[in-house]
Amino acid sequence: AQTVTQSQPEMSVQEAETVTLSCTYDTSESDYYLFWYKQPPSRQMILVIRQEAYKQQNATENRFSVNFQKAAKSFSLKISDSQLGDAAMYFCAYTMDSNYQLIWGAGTKLIIKP
Amino acid sequence: KAGVTQTPRYLIKTRGQQVTLSCSPISGHRSVSWYQQTPGQGLQFLFEYFSETQRNKGNFPGRFSGRQFSNSRSEMNVSTLELGDSALYLCASSFTWQGARGEQYFGPGTRLTVT
Repeated sequence: AQTVTQSQPEMSVQEAETVTLSCTYDTSESDYYLFWYKQPPSRQMILVIRQEAYKQQNATENRFSVNFQKAAKSFSLKISDSQLGDAAMYFCAYTMDSNYQLIWGAGTKLIIKP
Repeated sequence: KAGVTQTPRYLIKTRGQQVTLSCSPISGHRSVSWYQQTPGQGLQFLFEYFSETQRNKGNFPGRFSGRQFSNSRSEMNVSTLELGDSALYLCASSFTWQGARGEQYFGPGTRLTVT
């Protein structure tokens, strides 16, 4: 069965510092897509970053970058220069080329300390 | 552009009743996907509609159904409500089908409480 594991239920970081959120997944597929979504207290889910499995280059979006290790099935999110507005639940998710159903991790609650 | 809207935002129903939730996608988007979010099960995919046709379905009982109209607005219906159906129901829209592959835009959700 396809699963996504986020081993850190909660993380905290000092404002302006860097934090890394972990995600591992299990799949037998070769073509798939990986995502990090952010859900602030307002509950509106927002796409943070997207990675296509066939691309070896790690995706980046401003202060957000990923470390994609395909062989290890690992997809961690690095947030640089953390800001108060980054406080939210972060969900790792993936979808396969054969299925297109998003499989979600349990989420990591990120706390930003001022 | 207006974002994805969901109505109502909050709903309280009694066991055994049925409920209909509505989702209006971003203008021009033709795909609408629905997700259920609960503390116990987390986020789970319900179904995806594109051009008025259900293209993909998650592992939910037949009590959960949906439809999409010609203007891409979608409704989700749950019949014979159970306590376990209490959840935040999220919808997401995207321009193309198989929306989960690309960039999906989520609505604020409908919080359903079943008593």
